[in-house]
Amino acid sequence: QKEVEQNSGPLSVPEGAIASLNCTYSDRVSQSFFWYRQYSGKSPELIMSIYSNGDKEDGRFTAQLNKASQYVSLLIRDSQPSDSATYLCAVQIPSGSARQLTFGSGTQLTVLP
Amino acid sequence: GAVVSQHPSRVICKSGTSVKIECRSLDFQATTMFWYRQFPKQSLMLMATSNEGSKATYEQGVEKDKFLINHASLTLSTLTVTSAHPEDSSFYICSGEGSNQPQHFGDGTRLSIL
Repeated sequence: QKEVEQNSGPLSVPEGAIASLNCTYSDRVSQSFFWYRQYSGKSPELIMSIYSNGDKEDGRFTAQLNKASQYVSLLIRDSQPSDSATYLCAVQIPSGSARQLTFGSGTQLTVLP
Repeated sequence: GAVVSQHPSRVICKSGTSVKIECRSLDFQATTMFWYRQFPKQSLMLMATSNEGSKATYEQGVEKDKFLINHASLTLSTLTVTSAHPEDSSFYICSGEGSNQPQHFGDGTRLSIL
């Protein structure tokens, strides 16, 4: 079983719709969770971090975390064509002095104008 | 926000060449730097973790003698791909993490070995 799983997509939504991206993780001691956006040929860009159960909102983005279900999601409201990218879910597991990120394989999102 | 600068952005060179990639944290002290490799249509794979002033910790399957990592200061880490071969062609990305800072990534280096 992969440590961090995402639906690879592609996920297509019309402009203005809500895009919902999901991620599950296997290690219960995971403490920190991140969503990165990666445009083709570019490096990942941090868009959301979440550390406790519940919702966290930042502009058009909402991250949701449910540690009991080992599930984290990202909602993008009022999706724009510029949101078209691959979204990477990352989980951080504290291990000694290193706090490594484990990435999912990413979900490719296309927002259709 | 935290900025990580990575240089060069693109390298094309002949097989057998050694290539050095620099990663700098510009506005924070990166106590830990990470080096990743990403092949087309795949996710990031961690190669190694380096802490300032100590030897890097390599992930399983990554040759430490081929991928030399130096983290001499809190703002600079380098990755040297020694005697590069076509199978080393990939997108190499560094990230820096400081206290109370999540990982921020450099812009990546696209390495093409002919």
